Amino acid sequence: NAGVTQTPKFQVLKTGQSMTLQCAQDMNHEYMSWYRQDPGMGLRLIHYSVGAGITDQGEVPNGYNVSRSTTEDFPLRLLSAAPSQTSVYFCASSYTGDGNQPQHFGDGTRLSIL
Amino acid sequence: EDQVTQSPEALRLQEGESSSLNCSYTVSGLRGLFWYRQDPGKGPEFLFTLYSAGEEKEKERLKATLTKKESFLHITAPKPEDSATYLCAVQGLYGSGNTGKLIFGQGTTLQVKP
Repeated sequence: NAGVTQTPKFQVLKTGQSMTLQCAQDMNHEYMSWYRQDPGMGLRLIHYSVGAGITDQGEVPNGYNVSRSTTEDFPLRLLSAAPSQTSVYFCASSYTGDGNQPQHFGDGTRLSIL
Repeated sequence: EDQVTQSPEALRLQEGESSSLNCSYTVSGLRGLFWYRQDPGKGPEFLFTLYSAGEEKEKERLKATLTKKESFLHITAPKPEDSATYLCAVQGLYGSGNTGKLIFGQGTTLQVKP
């Protein structure tokens, strides 16, 4: 049981490049989410999904795209990378998003945009 | 607006020196308050969920308590392996309650010296 797995662990991009951050969970969780963590800002919600085929925006969605074709996977796409997107990105999952079960986090992707 | 403030930002203790971390929150109806531990280069690791004022949870040297305005994480006789950043997050009943959105504080970085 691997929990929440994120790849890659580190990535450096140039401004304007696109890439996909991968997130997979093997706990059969319906709810999945993406957060970014910046110094002095805490973690902020980017996008979330309450089940396969259903996604919605969080607090800071601009510049990011998501899809959820399976229960297990929830990739995050950067469409045209900008230096402001330099951050640590965390994927999380739980059985539901209603707060009755805790969300479990992956170990993050550290992304630098030059 | 839902908000979480943690204090102090950093705390240095000697091994065996007990102390408390504070998490003050404002939320329009509390669905749950969550404590996480985060080690350098890792994702947040779930510790406790508290749902109502007066509730307490314990795990080894850690004890979390909850009032209507704040939560405390008490650390009794800490050891060097307790060194980490401790994050507090809330999920509200309204608005964010349906999105699974967690509002995080900025964390308290604890260092326990032998």
